[in-house]
Amino acid sequence: EAGVAQSPRYKIIEKRQSVAFWCNPISGHATLYWYQQILGQGPKLLIQFQNNGVVDDSQLPKDRFSAERLKGVDSTLKIQPAKLEDSAVYLCASSLSDGGNEKLFFGSGTQLSVL
Amino acid sequence: AQSVSQHNHHVILSEAASLELGCNYSYGGTVNLFWYVQYPGQHLQLLLKYFSGDPLVKGIKGFEAEFIKSKFSFNLRKPSVQWSDTAEYFCAVTNDYKLSFGAGTTVTVRA
Repeated sequence: EAGVAQSPRYKIIEKRQSVAFWCNPISGHATLYWYQQILGQGPKLLIQFQNNGVVDDSQLPKDRFSAERLKGVDSTLKIQPAKLEDSAVYLCASSLSDGGNEKLFFGSGTQLSVL
Repeated sequence: AQSVSQHNHHVILSEAASLELGCNYSYGGTVNLFWYVQYPGQHLQLLLKYFSGDPLVKGIKGFEAEFIKSKFSFNLRKPSVQWSDTAEYFCAVTNDYKLSFGAGTTVTVRA
């Protein structure tokens, strides 16, 4: 079974630049999550999709972050403009549903460095 | 707001030693509880989970966790660790379908 695919693996940008991350979840998984993991901390949920609808984006800094999952399959997360504090690993995960007891499958993440 | 607390930031132990990692959460309602593990260079993966029933849950690789509702705790244990258990361990809790993670505990097992 193919896992959750993310790209790029690493990204280095300067502050105020824009960046986009891509995620392709496991086939058939209705729920897709974007997490931000800052060094030394646990993953923090940014946004959760159920198919192509947003379930929870309460912790997404909407002035600079945006995400979409237009066809209910793959998703992109964008930061515009980036700040130094956005340096983190951005994790994508997927699950069959959003029942709260589902196992999440994580991708390898995109490590973002903002200089 | 719900929070998940992991008591130890870094644990160092020798092979064959016993391991116990603490996890407490703040929410008082119905919760689902998880432990995820991240081995060096690998992605996060599920170690074990608790939804209901027997509060002692057994997971992969000899790990187990005990849910103590009165203490809002879900501690992870392994009787005898191996060098390959070196990893970062995250406790996670769901309520209202939102999964929140603790800060993680780095476990280093010396051969």
